[in-house]
Amino acid sequence: GENVEQHPSTLSVQEGDSAVIKCTYSDSASNYFPWYKQELGKRPQLIIDIRSNVGEKKDQRIAVTLNKTAKHFSLHITETQPEDSAVYFCAASMGGSARQLTFGSGTQLTVLP
Amino acid sequence: GAVVSQHPSWVICKSGTSVKIECRSLDFQATTMFWYRQFPKQSLMLMATSNEGSKATYEQGVEKDKFLINHASLTLSTLTVTSAHPEDSSFYICSARDRAGGNTIYFGEGSWLTVV
Repeated sequence: GENVEQHPSTLSVQEGDSAVIKCTYSDSASNYFPWYKQELGKRPQLIIDIRSNVGEKKDQRIAVTLNKTAKHFSLHITETQPEDSAVYFCAASMGGSARQLTFGSGTQLTVLP
Repeated sequence: GAVVSQHPSWVICKSGTSVKIECRSLDFQATTMFWYRQFPKQSLMLMATSNEGSKATYEQGVEKDKFLINHASLTLSTLTVTSAHPEDSSFYICSARDRAGGNTIYFGEGSWLTVV
């Protein structure tokens, strides 16, 4: 099955700096890669996603890049703010209509004021 | 975006009893829903895939007789933890696939289960 690895597990940045979280996946059939933000005890919130026919997608301060050849994708957050502090999960779907997601292990992002 | 509601948010039960958790898609039809378990400071682990009108597909290592899943309608899936034990205490969270909305996955609020 699919295996998703995520790094780093913890990340601290100063407010205003950029944060980058990286994930790799194992199954070349995966074609959908969402990123979720989860605050303690709350539901994961979809913040951005990318499909395999696109190399990069941006939404204001958040961007995701995908390298299909290397099977890795990254989340980039620019001009970080304290409210960006949360756990971020990447995920990969093996494709098809089932949309069964395999999650990375998560990254605890702390933005220091 | 679409809304998925999960109930209850918190539940405390005695060891040996059963607990039912509901997951509802409020403004879309969800032919497929997913149930996850999340331990503190860990990732979401898929337990089972719930398909409307058919039996759920369980992940390896998940006891189907202990974690009963019913997906009787296009907007409701239930997870029943039977004969709960303290080790079943966890954060359970569902998600639903909005097929008409580009297959986007939306999560419920999650349910904290504590077995005493």
